[in-house]
Amino acid sequence: EAGVAQSPRYKIIEKRQSVAFWCNPISGHATLYWYQQILGQGPKLLIQFQNNGVVDDSQLPKDRFSAERLKGVDSTLKIQPAKLEDSAVYLCASSPFAGASYNEQFFGPGTRLTVL
Amino acid sequence: AQSVTQLDSHVSVSEGTPVLLRCNYSSSYSPSLFWYVQHPNKGLQLLLKYTSAATLVKGINGFEAEFKKSETSFHLTKPSAHMSDAAEYFCVVSAQGYGGATNKLIFGTGTLLAVQP
Repeated sequence: EAGVAQSPRYKIIEKRQSVAFWCNPISGHATLYWYQQILGQGPKLLIQFQNNGVVDDSQLPKDRFSAERLKGVDSTLKIQPAKLEDSAVYLCASSPFAGASYNEQFFGPGTRLTVL
Repeated sequence: AQSVTQLDSHVSVSEGTPVLLRCNYSSSYSPSLFWYVQHPNKGLQLLLKYTSAATLVKGINGFEAEFKKSETSFHLTKPSAHMSDAAEYFCVVSAQGYGGATNKLIFGTGTLLAVQP
């Protein structure tokens, strides 16, 4: 079974520029997550989708970050404009459904963003 | 609120010696706990999970963890370290998400395991 796909793997931009990341979850997985992992820290949930609806975006900085999951399959995360503190690895994960707290989440390799 | 504390940011062991990575949790209800491993330039991989069944949980690659409610701990162990175990390990608790959505993972800050030959 193919895993979670993410692109690009690496991105370098200057502050105030825009950037977008793409994620394709495991086929059939209803739930999709975006995490931000700053160097030296554990991943932090930014947004959770159930099919194409947002379930939790309480930690998404909505003034500059946006995400969508059209048709309930792949997803894009956008930052506009980027700040220096947005430098991090952005991880996408998926799980079959969000109905149980012990549901395993499968992670993609991440996109490493550097903001100069 | 749910949280986890990983007590060591770095652990170094010799190949063939035991591994102990420590984790304490805080949860207002019976938690689900996980250990994930992250190898360089690779995605996070689930090692094992505790979901209120047996308190001693066995995972992949010879790792296991014991849930101790009295100590609020979920330490990860392995009898004999291998060079390929060198990676970053995250202790994770599952929490109720915003609006009651489940399956929100709260990660610890990670423990970097080095294995010396």
